Amino acid sequence: QKEVEQDPGPLSVPEGAIVSLNCTYSNSAFQYFMWYRQYSRKGPELLMYTYSSGNKEDGRFTAQVDKSSKYISLFIRDSQPSDSATYLCAMSGGNAGNMLTFGGGTRLMVKP
Amino acid sequence: NAGVTQTPKFQVLKTGQSMTLQCAQDMNHNSMYWYRQDPGMGLRLIYYSASEGTTDKGEVPNGYNVSRLNKREFSLRLESAAPSQTSVYFCASSEPNDRNEQFFGPGTRLTVL
Repeated sequence: QKEVEQDPGPLSVPEGAIVSLNCTYSNSAFQYFMWYRQYSRKGPELLMYTYSSGNKEDGRFTAQVDKSSKYISLFIRDSQPSDSATYLCAMSGGNAGNMLTFGGGTRLMVKP
Repeated sequence: NAGVTQTPKFQVLKTGQSMTLQCAQDMNHNSMYWYRQDPGMGLRLIYYSASEGTTDKGEVPNGYNVSRLNKREFSLRLESAAPSQTSVYFCASSEPNDRNEQFFGPGTRLTVL
């Protein structure tokens, strides 16, 4: 079993939809939770990070962490075709050290 | 600022050939990393350098060597390329804090025939 699991998709939604992307993990020591966005044939870029449990909002994006369930989510409101990309979750911290552990990524397609 | 740059962007090798992938960062970061990305596998750490003068193995180091040339540059060498090393290679850099926010380069697409 992988340490961080992520549905690979693809997830196809119409423009304007609310998108929910999720990761589950097994290491309860993780404390920092990140979402990276990767456009086709580009390197990943950091979208959001959250420390420990709770929510964080940035424009149309909301990151949510539930440490009790070992489950994190990224919500995208009013999705746009420009949001079409692969979204990777990543985690670090605690006795897991500061190395990032990545999920496999979910490919999102937002259709006009 | 260019951020993290990688050369070359694309490369095709024959089995047994060698090559070096170059990476440079201009953010004055202490830590640098090499990952490979394969379909469905996410990013897997090959080697990293926590600071200038140090290197350590990651999850999948076999068949690779690295050199931290100076604070800016971190190279990855394939001594005898194998088809299993066909992948997209990403270099990243960060400050070595708990959060470890990493900044990635554009990647090198390598095909080994």
